[in-house]
Amino acid sequence: NAGVMQNPRHLVRRRGQEARLRCSPMKGHSHVYWYRQLPEEGLKFMVYLQKENIIDESGMPKERFSAEFPKEGPSILRIQQVVRGDSAAYFCASSPPGVAVSSYEQYFGPGTRLTVT
Amino acid sequence: AQSVTQLGSHVSVSEGALVLLRCNYSSSVPPYLFWYVQYPNQGLQLLLKYTSAATLVKGINGFEAEFKKSETSFHLTKPSAHMSDAAEYFCALYGAGNQFYFGTGTSLTVIP
Repeated sequence: NAGVMQNPRHLVRRRGQEARLRCSPMKGHSHVYWYRQLPEEGLKFMVYLQKENIIDESGMPKERFSAEFPKEGPSILRIQQVVRGDSAAYFCASSPPGVAVSSYEQYFGPGTRLTVT
Repeated sequence: AQSVTQLGSHVSVSEGALVLLRCNYSSSVPPYLFWYVQYPNQGLQLLLKYTSAATLVKGINGFEAEFKKSETSFHLTKPSAHMSDAAEYFCALYGAGNQFYFGTGTSLTVIP
């Protein structure tokens, strides 16, 4: 049973380019979460999605960032016109449907390390 | 406000010695608390979680943590460190707002 998969593992973009990060949740999981980890900092929540729905995007920057989780295919985190401050590790996590809050659990992917030059 | 503070960004212990990683939290509602471990170039793996049942929680790899409401703490311990325990450890809180809040992490080094 494969875990959460993210690709690419490393991504280098020049300032102004677009970055697309992909996340395939664990089999049977329909909830996806994106986090950003800046150097020397903890993970910061960005967005929570279910299939075809954005549930909570309160952690997403208002501009240039978007996320989707289509009915078919992986979840995509898209960063337009990247700037140096976007350099970070981006982690995706997934959880199964119907999980009770009392047993809340997320399974993390290995992350995508974005470097903006 | 919800937050997690991990005291000590780097901890070194000798192999076989006690491991103690500190975590304090702030939450306006009863929190759920978690410890995750991250090995180099890998994602986070859940070690253990507290979800308002027993205050002493046992996890994988011999780790355990105790929830102390009076001290707003959830420190992670292991009686005897092993070389394979060297990794980054994150404390996290799930509270108001249905979000996870992570600490800044503690890097554990085990000295042979």
